[in-house]
Amino acid sequence: EVQLVESGGGLVQPGGSLRLSCAASGFTVSSNYMSWVRQAPGKGLEWVSVIYSSYITYYADSVKGRFTISRDNSKNTLYLQMNSLRIDDTALYYCASGLALRDFQHWGQGTLVTVSS
Amino acid sequence: DIQLTQSPSSLSASVGDRVTITCRASQSISSYLNWYQQKPGKAPKLLIYAASSLQSGVPSRFSGSGSGTDFTLTISSLQPEDFATYYCQQSYSTQWTFGQGTRVEIK
Repeated sequence: EVQLVESGGGLVQPGGSLRLSCAASGFTVSSNYMSWVRQAPGKGLEWVSVIYSSYITYYADSVKGRFTISRDNSKNTLYLQMNSLRIDDTALYYCASGLALRDFQHWGQGTLVTVSS
Repeated sequence: DIQLTQSPSSLSASVGDRVTITCRASQSISSYLNWYQQKPGKAPKLLIYAASSLQSGVPSRFSGSGSGTDFTLTISSLQPEDFATYYCQQSYSTQWTFGQGTRVEIK
């Protein structure tokens, strides 16, 4: 059974940093493309970043230069390093796995990031 | 960036109704269009991928169509468990985007 479990969220001050993790089971992260998607409270979904099996990465313009997506194949885990956090980065962050046009086939339960002074 | 505009933003319908949600892209995205369902407090769920392919395990009352810039999600006979918010999403460009969502409510 495919499972994605996010962790690392919390309360951080503006300008601070946080690293999110997404532990995968039931499949290997290196064989899929892995993404982060966020949802601000009461708002819609916003794609954040994707990393392909080839290690090619893409970012939403809103986080480019501040966030870095990566993965550790040995731990079967996806990461999102978030620097220079802003108040509008406050959201529930989901990780998701994709394969063959099914961009967000499996989802985690999300981890909440709150940026506030 | 490619903008996706869903219509309507919300709708009220009864059990058994046929429901259609549209998603219009600001430029052609071929068939790189997916549909998701999200219920309150839950992660989204993939319904349709590549514009018209039904994800495994999704009831056949859900269907998708379209290509280029205009797409539709149809629920042939609305069931109580279908009341939720629906999102379209494109991955044609390197900047993936979602539509703003369509909330389906009980009439």
